[in-house]
Amino acid sequence: NAGVTQTPKFRVLKTGQSMTLLCAQDMNHEYMYWYRQDPGMGLRLIHYSVGEGTTAKGEVPDGYNVSRLKKQNFLLGLESAAPSQTSVYFCASSPGQGGYTFGSGTRLTVV
Amino acid sequence: GENVEQHPSTLSVQEGDSAVIKCTYSDSASNYFPWYKQELGKRPQLIIDIRSNVGEKKDQRIAVTLNKTAKHFSLHITETQPEDSAVYFCAASTGGNYQLIWGAGTKLIIKP
Repeated sequence: NAGVTQTPKFRVLKTGQSMTLLCAQDMNHEYMYWYRQDPGMGLRLIHYSVGEGTTAKGEVPDGYNVSRLKKQNFLLGLESAAPSQTSVYFCASSPGQGGYTFGSGTRLTVV
Repeated sequence: GENVEQHPSTLSVQEGDSAVIKCTYSDSASNYFPWYKQELGKRPQLIIDIRSNVGEKKDQRIAVTLNKTAKHFSLHITETQPEDSAVYFCAASTGGNYQLIWGAGTKLIIKP
């Protein structure tokens, strides 16, 4: 089992460009989450999903969109990247009442 | 909503000594309390968790205790080693949407 796989691992964007981060899990988990982590800081929830076809806003959703068309995939989109979105993005999945499994992260730099 | 406070923000201990990190939560309905370890440049990884029907859980050098009355839980690491150096996050979850509410993290430094 691969667990939670994030692609890409690194990306540099110019201000105003768009991109999609992909998260895939092979554990048949219902719940999936996108977090951002700025240097020396904790985890802030961007969006989450409680099942296929559902999405909900987290703590810091502005500037991001998500989709969960298939149970195993959770996509995070940046429509018009800004330098403030420079961060490490983590995807996580969960079976419900239990621990999260995190992906290895995507390091995004917006210049 | 739930709020989780974590202390201290930085903890420096001598190798071989014990380390204790404490978290308090606000929602008495919270019933699941995991601890995550995040090494520099790596993903957070679950190291131990406890549910509200248990007061203490141990796994080798790591233990977690829960006091539901006081609404706090603690991570105990004994015989600390250099590889224990990392940031540790506590979290709490209620049964409703299974969303974890996170503490701010504790940077644990093990001095040789």
